[in-house]
Amino acid sequence: GNSVTQMEGPVTLSEEAFLTINCTYTATGYPSLFWYVQYPGEGLQLLLKATKADDKGSNKGFEATYRKETTSFHLEKGSVQVSDSAVYFCALLNSGYSTLTFGKGTMLLVSP
Amino acid sequence: DVKVTQSSRYLVKRTGEKVFLECVQDMDHENMFWYRQDPGLGLRLIYFSYDVKMKEKGDIPEGYSVSREKKERFSLILESASTNQTSMYLCASSLGDGRETQYFGPGTRLLVL
Repeated sequence: GNSVTQMEGPVTLSEEAFLTINCTYTATGYPSLFWYVQYPGEGLQLLLKATKADDKGSNKGFEATYRKETTSFHLEKGSVQVSDSAVYFCALLNSGYSTLTFGKGTMLLVSP
Repeated sequence: DVKVTQSSRYLVKRTGEKVFLECVQDMDHENMFWYRQDPGLGLRLIYFSYDVKMKEKGDIPEGYSVSREKKERFSLILESASTNQTSMYLCASSLGDGRETQYFGPGTRLLVL
């Protein structure tokens, strides 16, 4: 079956540091890929997505590029803020269905 | 903006009780989903529904059932709650147009004593 693997957290950074959260997947074909973010006490919200190979999704300074050669979709941000502290989930769309398979999530903690 | 609401933010129930978790979406979405979220396990799909009165099992349906009598409402039912069902429950919906962005509610944190 399909699966998503994310780096374990927590990731602890100082404000303005560079962020990378690794995500790799196993799936047949080339599924759409997503990053969701969950702020404390809230549900998940879509951060960005890419629907085909070499696409780059971007939003709020975050970026991720769909790399089919390495089956990866790493999340990056050049300069994190305290307000970026949250849990980040990588996910893929299962073919033939409307369901998503999620990674286990990576907690990001940004200190001033 | 899509809005997905869940009936309770926090719920405390006793072992053996029947528990209903309600979810409502206001954007005429075809698809609705129930997940549970546990530390170290991420999100796991319990049940989903493509349309009214239709339901499909997800990865962990045991101990749960669902009901979708109206398009906007999707209920998760714990027939006889057990302590291992203590968790955060998240509802989501999606349009069903193939792009499949899911929109989530705020979650219900359920404690079964």
